[in-house]
Amino acid sequence: EAQVTQNPRYLITVTGKKLTVTCSQNMNHEYMSWYRQDPGLGLRQIYYSMNVEVTDKGDVPEGYKVSRKEKRNFPLILESPSPNQTSLYFCASSLSGRGRYEQYFGPGTRLTVT
Amino acid sequence: QKEVEQDPGPLSVPEGAIVSLNCTYSNSAFQYFMWYRQYSRKGPELLMYTYSSGNKEDGRFTAQVDKSSKYISLFIRDSQPSDSATYLCAMSSNSGYSTLTFGKGTMLLVSP
Repeated sequence: EAQVTQNPRYLITVTGKKLTVTCSQNMNHEYMSWYRQDPGLGLRQIYYSMNVEVTDKGDVPEGYKVSRKEKRNFPLILESPSPNQTSLYFCASSLSGRGRYEQYFGPGTRLTVT
Repeated sequence: QKEVEQDPGPLSVPEGAIVSLNCTYSNSAFQYFMWYRQYSRKGPELLMYTYSSGNKEDGRFTAQVDKSSKYISLFIRDSQPSDSATYLCAMSSNSGYSTLTFGKGTMLLVSP
C-alpha cells in the first residue's frame, strides 16, 4: 500500500530534550516536506526537500532541523524543544517538487512539550 | 493581504443540503487548484484537482475556478454526515518548483 508513515504518533516530552520524528514514504517520491498545523494558523511548512541531500527552509524553520540521506526517509529533529513547538506535525511527499503534483500526507504526530 | 483566504467556519448544515466552500487568493500566477479533505486526527487527503479555470465534477463534488475573480469553490451535493471534516484549498503556480500554498481550512459539520 502506498503510504507515508510517521513515528511516533503521539509524544509528550520536556523542554530541552532532543527528539526526532521519523517520516518514511514507499512511493519513490522525490519531494518531501514537514508541516505543523495549529488552530487558527493552518498548515505551515517547516522544511522541504526536493531530493536526496537537497533541503531548504519553509515558512517556520526556527528550532527544527532535517536531513535527507535516503530518498524514502525525511526525519524532523528538534534539538532543544520548547513549549511553543507543541503542535500537530505532518510529513508529506510528492512525485516532484513542482506544486501541481498531489501531496500525500502522513497520519500526523501530536507533540506536547512541557 | 494573505495569499490565500478561507473562512474557518464552522459551517453547519443538515444532511442533504448543498454545501458551498470558498477560497480567495491574491497571486494571479496560481494555475493549479486543489481541495484537500481532513478528517479529525488524520492527515489531509486530495479530494479534487483543477488546472486553470473552469469546472470539474466528481460524483457529489464539483470544483469551480474563476481566475478573473481569483475565487475558487467546492460544492458538495446531497451532503452526508460522513462529509463532516475540514476542507483545505491549496494552489500553486506553474513557475519552476513552486510549492503548494494552503488555505487555513473550513470546518464542515453535517448533521443527520
